[in-house]
This record gives sequence, structure tokens and C-alpha cells, in this order.
Amino acid sequence: GAGVSQSPSNKVTEKGKDVELRCDPISGHTALYWYRQSLGQGLEFLIYFQGNSAPDKSGLPSDRFSAERTGGSVSTLTIQRTQQEDSAVYLCASSLFVYRTYEQYFGPGTRLTVT
Amino acid sequence: KNEVEQSPQNLTAQEGEFITINCSYSVGISALHWLQQHPGGGIVSLFMLSSGKKKHGRLIATINIQEKHSSLHITASHPRDSAVYICAVRGNRDDKIIFGKGTRLHILP
Repeated sequence: GAGVSQSPSNKVTEKGKDVELRCDPISGHTALYWYRQSLGQGLEFLIYFQGNSAPDKSGLPSDRFSAERTGGSVSTLTIQRTQQEDSAVYLCASSLFVYRTYEQYFGPGTRLTVT
Repeated sequence: KNEVEQSPQNLTAQEGEFITINCSYSVGISALHWLQQHPGGGIVSLFMLSSGKKKHGRLIATINIQEKHSSLHITASHPRDSAVYICAVRGNRDDKIIFGKGTRLHILP
């Protein structure tokens, strides 16, 4: 079946502009995660959603970052007033349940470049 | 000190060699993941472990919960195994995932 998809695959934007990144999780997966991987750095947790519960936003680096998940499926990560340090690959993953024993399936990522 | 430490950071080996990548962690966990990230950036989940050992093809992953340590082994390594291997743990208090910085593996033909 279809895996996790993300769009766009690449996004170049000017400093100060807002961007929206989209994630389509695997159908039926109740948990959705956003991560960021800056150049030469490891993966960094941003936010996760589980079902209809309030999302865990503790990894968001600033209030310029927000995410929502509509209808328990598609998620959008929004970065307002982008800065050059926001340049990174943004990865989305989904899993059947958030609790403990279920694997995450990663999307291909969106490479964001802020000029 | 990072909560998840991997070693080595970089590893170059000849085709056919037996490869071991280590991961140590300092938090209580409910599961440990090994991920593979290819040069193009795509990430694949290789294993998820909470105890013991798992094998998939030429890959073997082990975990020792008491010692807070896991190893990923690759037998009969091949150039296509060249990738970054990432260890990630899921905390048993908040289910958050903490990533190691990865091990860059390069297998020479």
C-alpha cells in the first residue's frame, strides 16, 4: 500500500516568508510525528499527534512553528517568518499507535532552503 | 552528555567485513529503533527492539536492557549497505523519541 507522502519535496523560500509543509500519513495510522534534520545534524523531534488528543508540541523550536492535523489524517507544518536557520529537511512519520511497540514509517522529507 | 550515544561516528570497511555499530543510552526506554538513512535522505526503519535479538537478512540487532546498550551488526557487508545508521530510543515516561547522531558507514568494493 501507499507509504507516508510529503509535499513539496523541495521548497526554496525567502527569509521572512511563511511556508507550509504537508504530510499524508499511512491510512489508518493514528500517530503522526514531525522531525527536522539540519545539515550535518541528527534528527530532532518537533511535534506529535495521537488520535484526537492534544498534540505534544514540546519539540517546536519557536512560536513561529505550528502544526495541525485535520480529520486525524493529513498534517500541515507551518513556519512563519522563516529564518535561514530553519533550512533543513523536515520529515514526517506515522505509526499505528503512539504507544511503545509500533514502528514508525517515514516519509521522504521536504528539503526547505531559506535564502 | 547526549542521552543516546553511538559509536563509531564514522566507519569505513571493505566489502565482506562484519560490521558492528553500537548504541548506548542513559534513559529508561520502552523500545529502541535502528534506522537507515541513505545518501538521498530517505529513512527506513530497520528494527524495533524492546528485548533480545532480531535478525533480518544480513542484519542483526541486539539489545541489553540492563546495560542500556544495543548493537547493530551487518554480516557480509556490501557497498549498498553504505548509509547512515541511526539509533533512536523511545522514552518510557513520555513516549518521545530521542535520536543518536548516527554512524556513517562506507563499504568499499
